[in-house]
Amino acid sequence: QKEVEQNSGPLSVPEGAIASLNCTYSDRGSQSFFWYRQYSGKSPELIMFIYSNGDKEDGRFTAQLNKASQYVSLLIRDSQPSDSATYLCAGISGGGADGLTFGKGTHLIIQP
Amino acid sequence: DGGITQSPKYLFRKEGQNVTLSCEQNLNHDAMYWYRQDPGQGLRLIYYSQIVNDFQKGDIAEGYSVSREKKESFPLTVTSAQKNPTAFYLCASSDWTPNTGELFFGEGSRLTVL
Repeated sequence: QKEVEQNSGPLSVPEGAIASLNCTYSDRGSQSFFWYRQYSGKSPELIMFIYSNGDKEDGRFTAQLNKASQYVSLLIRDSQPSDSATYLCAGISGGGADGLTFGKGTHLIIQP
Repeated sequence: DGGITQSPKYLFRKEGQNVTLSCEQNLNHDAMYWYRQDPGQGLRLIYYSQIVNDFQKGDIAEGYSVSREKKESFPLTVTSAQKNPTAFYLCASSDWTPNTGELFFGEGSRLTVL
């Protein structure tokens, strides 16, 4: 059974600080991981994906993957109120034909 | 513009009725998916299709049916057998390959059973 676990939160972070979102997964065969942002009532939008161990940076966002620990994280630097949303972690494994396995999401609140 | 179109955005259904949610994509993607999302929950896979005229059950297929007669279209029928159909339904597509597999989502359809 493929599982992706996230702390549901809410995670409250002051504006301008670094928000750290974490995710663990059970399937050691998982190859790639995706972070989606979802505003209330809207569909998810992709922030970034990572498939190699280490860090991947894109603007204010950094994804980190540690396959030995089965751990994925997303750091958001200089957090803005517009970053307030639910962040979904998802993994893909095997051939990937059956899509992504999603965690339940972490609700992030950026306090002005 | 390329994308995924879901309709209707909002739908109300009486108990015992079947309803069909439409999903059309012009991204030329082979794979299409239906997910269900309940409040405070992640996305759960209902059905997926990798190619025309073929589809597979996901984790929660009971009470749902799909068809894939055209590459662009993947409609979902919520049948009266689905005991708790009130939810947010998301259609997605992907031009998946190993190590990628990004999903592109439609805007979603919110179904409420009265």
